[in-house]
Amino acid sequence: KAGVTQTPRYLIKTRGQQVTLSCSPISGHRSVSWYQQTPGQGLQFLFEYFSETQRNKGNFPGRFSGRQFSNSRSEMNVSTLELGDSALYLCASSLGTGGGSPLHFGNGTRLTVT
Amino acid sequence: GEDVEQSLFLSVREGDSSVINCTYTDSSSTYLYWYKQEPGAGLQLLTYIFSNMDMKQDQRLTVLLNKKDKHLSLRIADTQTGDSAIYFCAETAMFSGGYNKLIFGAGTRLAVHP
Repeated sequence: KAGVTQTPRYLIKTRGQQVTLSCSPISGHRSVSWYQQTPGQGLQFLFEYFSETQRNKGNFPGRFSGRQFSNSRSEMNVSTLELGDSALYLCASSLGTGGGSPLHFGNGTRLTVT
Repeated sequence: GEDVEQSLFLSVREGDSSVINCTYTDSSSTYLYWYKQEPGAGLQLLTYIFSNMDMKQDQRLTVLLNKKDKHLSLRIADTQTGDSAIYFCAETAMFSGGYNKLIFGAGTRLAVHP
């Protein structure tokens, strides 16, 4: 079974631009979560989607948004990019939303904002 | 509040056992996880334990949970150079409607030397 696929692997953008990252979950998984990983803040929860609905959201500004499609694929968007948005963005999928449904992560998209 | 703490670095000799420790704060956490991250990659799920268990063994991996002290450990038997990576401990966080938000520790960098 294919794992979680994230595209693109690398992105370089300039301040003020916007970016869209894509995530294809493991087949059959209906929940998709997004995390930001930086050296300073570590792994921080962005949001979670289940059946096309955002169920939970982390403490990030409104510039960070996402959506989930009917095939469970998800995208996240960051508008008006800032230098501090440079990070590894990780997508994870799981069967359900309970704690007993472990998250399976993709290899991430590394975003560099210059 | 929610917080997960880990020591930042561990160095072991090849063939020895490694023990990575973690403390967490949320006593309502139902599941606790261990993930591994190699350079340039995402997070690989190693194992997880339900909070009503004390121990879980999976091949070379042994997880011990002391719920009273909120202490979790991961023991890797016969550590190999391929085990060199960053290991993250994570707890599930209570979230209205679901539990799929994970709180991660800062990660323990395991270095295996001959």
